[in-house]
Order: sequence, then C-alpha cells, then structure tokens
Amino acid sequence: KNQVEQSPQSLIILEGKNCTLQCNYTVSPFSNLRWYKQDTGRGPVSLTIMTFSENTKSNGRYTATLDADTKQSSLHITASQLSDSASYICVVSAKGTYKYIFGTGTRLKVLA
Amino acid sequence: NAGVTQTPKFQVLKTGQSMTLQCAQDMNHNSMYWYRQDPGMGLRLIYYSASEGTTDKGEVPNGYNVSRLNKREFSLRLESAAPSQTSVYFCASRDLYSYEQYFGPGTRLTVT
Repeated sequence: KNQVEQSPQSLIILEGKNCTLQCNYTVSPFSNLRWYKQDTGRGPVSLTIMTFSENTKSNGRYTATLDADTKQSSLHITASQLSDSASYICVVSAKGTYKYIFGTGTRLKVLA
Repeated sequence: NAGVTQTPKFQVLKTGQSMTLQCAQDMNHNSMYWYRQDPGMGLRLIYYSASEGTTDKGEVPNGYNVSRLNKREFSLRLESAAPSQTSVYFCASRDLYSYEQYFGPGTRLTVT
C-alpha cells in the first residue's frame, strides 16, 4: 500500500536553531516528492519538488534531501524564524498517476 | 492573478442540508482537485478532474458530487450533509509541465 510517514509529529525549537524533519515513503513506482508548508488556516504552499535523479534541493533556508534507494527524504530548516511555525507536509506521487499521497505532517513551533 | 480561490471560507450546516463549495483558478490549469483535511490525517482526495468535462473519484468520494463547469471552475456538492463531513476542504489545480499543485485557502465546514 502506498504510504507516506513523517516524523516527528510535532517539534518545538528556539528561534535561530536548525531542525530536520523526516519523511519515509513506500510509494511505487516513484515519480517525485514534494515538501509543502501549511500555515494555520491556510492552504499548503510548495517548498521544493524532487524527482528520482535529484538528491538535494534548496529554497532559501529550506533544504530537502532525497534518498531514493532507502525511500527517505528530509527537510532541513536553517536558522529558524518565528514565521517558520507551521505544518510541513511530505507528498509523494507515483509514476503514471495523477494521485498524490500525503503525509500527516510535522507541526513545527518556533519560540522566541 | 488570484491563483486558486474558494468560497465560502466558513460554513455551518445542519444534518441533511445541502450546499455547494465553489472553486476557481486563473492559471489556465487543466487539472483540478478536491481534498479534505481532517485532524491527524493527511489530505485525502475526494474527486479529481483531468480536464473540462471529465471527473474521477478519489479516495473518499461517498456523499459528494462534483461539476467541472469550465476550465476555471470546479465545484463540490454535498447533497445531504452528515456530521462525518465536518472537515476543511481544499481545492487545488495542477500545472501540466511542472506537476506543481496550487492550493486554495480552504473552506472550513461544520455539520451539526
């Protein structure tokens, strides 16, 4: 069964610190993996998208990595800011399908 | 360029009432989606439309109907609302070439 699991469920860090969020998936055949940021009360917004051949993608202070062999991805946030407080969702799509498999997200809170 | 818009933002229904959630996009995307988001669960696909005039069931279609009125608009109808349909509903559209999904701001629906 196609699944996407994220850890931790929630995380609290101090402003300025770094953190790493994890995503494991069993989607096959793999097409691409995305990370979304969802602020409270808003729709998800894309941060990065990676295909099979890419193992790192950056977007400002956000860096995503992908290991297609172990079916794992991580999202690293550098020098966190209060505005990084949000849910981060890992989404994987399979080749030949329009469907996206969503993880349940990691809720990040950044404290001053 | 508004992206994806949804109306209404909030709605409270009594069990058995009907309503239509509206979604429109101005990015000339062919594909549009309706998802629901419940606490502790990833976004789940209700219906999908690959292009004007076509619709397909997703993971949780029971109790819902959709209409792809034209390329811009994709509506979701609840014919007889049930408390189990209390959720946040997101509409999304997809860019054909980047496979990027763009989400609307969501509709928070409560059925009592």
